[in-house]
Amino acid sequence: QMQLAQSGAEVKTTGSSMSVSCKAPGNTFTSRYLHWLRQAPGQPFEWMGWIVPFNGNTDHAQKFQDRVTITRDRSMRTAYLQLSSLRAEDTAMYYCAGSSSAEGAFDIWGQGTMVTVFS
Amino acid sequence: EIVMTQSPATLSVSPGERATLSCRASRSVSTNLAWYQHKPGQAPRLLIYEASTRSTGIPARFSGRGSGTEFTLIITSLQSEDFAVYYCQQYNDWPLVTFGGGTKVDFK
Repeated sequence: QMQLAQSGAEVKTTGSSMSVSCKAPGNTFTSRYLHWLRQAPGQPFEWMGWIVPFNGNTDHAQKFQDRVTITRDRSMRTAYLQLSSLRAEDTAMYYCAGSSSAEGAFDIWGQGTMVTVFS
Repeated sequence: EIVMTQSPATLSVSPGERATLSCRASRSVSTNLAWYQHKPGQAPRLLIYEASTRSTGIPARFSGRGSGTEFTLIITSLQSEDFAVYYCQQYNDWPLVTFGGGTKVDFK
């Protein structure tokens, strides 16, 4: 099963920022839309935003309007999620996932990155 | 936001048995519905998209059906590797995609 490779777990304090990376295999990077989702303990998956690796266009959920930044490095086939002003409720497993079409299902996923935020 | 509700929360099944998982949407999502399998510590895996189309490499024992607000994932003759959590997801209301809370299929 092909998958995306995410960076390792992070432990952060409230008010700080987190950064998670997501590397795509082979030639899949520019042929996919890359999304970021998270799953807090006991909660459903929550979509945070996406990036079009080909041209760098992004969009994100209104909920994260002022705190989220999604970027990519085409040469490294890697996308990045940054979330600032962290709160305890940002403690979650963060996933990147890819879709073949703009509004399709997620057909490739990363293994997840656990981010723990404490005060 | 479309709320996705999965039932049951836990399904205890013996190997070789059939498992039927349900997913209900709070309003119609047409057939823009996917099912994922998720095992601890692993990447989630797309099983079904467009409500009934198996993803590449997914065994034929997995099947999906439904449209509108009611959906079902059926696993015929459960194998040991099928014990996992299963999630449904609607992608009709883009970008406000939403997931159900999951059904854990465990060993009876």
